[in-house]
Amino acid sequence: TQLLEQSPQFLSIQEGENLTVYCNSSSVFSSLQWYRQEPGEGPVLLVTVVTGGEVKKLKRLTFQFGDARKDSSLHITAAQPGDTGLYLCAGNSGGSNYKLTFGKGTLLTVNP
Amino acid sequence: NAGVTQTPKFQVLKTGQSMTLQCAQDMNHNSMYWYRQDPGMGLRLIYYSASEGTTDKGEVPNGYNVSRLNKREFSLRLESAAPSQTSVYFCASSESFEANYGYTFGSGTRLTVV
Repeated sequence: TQLLEQSPQFLSIQEGENLTVYCNSSSVFSSLQWYRQEPGEGPVLLVTVVTGGEVKKLKRLTFQFGDARKDSSLHITAAQPGDTGLYLCAGNSGGSNYKLTFGKGTLLTVNP
Repeated sequence: NAGVTQTPKFQVLKTGQSMTLQCAQDMNHNSMYWYRQDPGMGLRLIYYSASEGTTDKGEVPNGYNVSRLNKREFSLRLESAAPSQTSVYFCASSESFEANYGYTFGSGTRLTVV
């Protein structure tokens, strides 16, 4: 079973601060996805990264896939209260196993 | 709005009762999934259907059964509910089972077994 470790587990910051959350594994993934989940709702896909070293930007969010495709990071610039939520990473190893494995998430709170 | 619809949103069951959680998607996706989300445990796959007519066990299938009724609908049945099945259940769909397609999730069913 592939495990995805996310850190930190909890993060509380002030509006305007920058932050980075991490997603690490000892396994190689063919692709990795990031989701954001708000209270009472299901996760919503933010981005998919597939190439080692790949960087994708979504407004103030920057996602990076590690060169070895074992880890990923999410950097948020000038965080806003609307960024509050649970950030989940999910990976699949490809081959004959396409099922997504989810990390336990980072719960981010951005205070006004 | 297009997406994944789950019913009911909330349910309380007594131990031993049975129920079926319904899920329907209108995006013409081939693959559908059932997850449960518990504090400290993250999202765990219960069952999935890679395509219409097929179903397979995920990580935590014990105590559950599924039916892929047609391409749109994928139901999850608890035959004899137990307190350990208290959880939030999410249905998801994707265009194809092969990677790199993102999942679209429903808004969840909050189930309490007393």
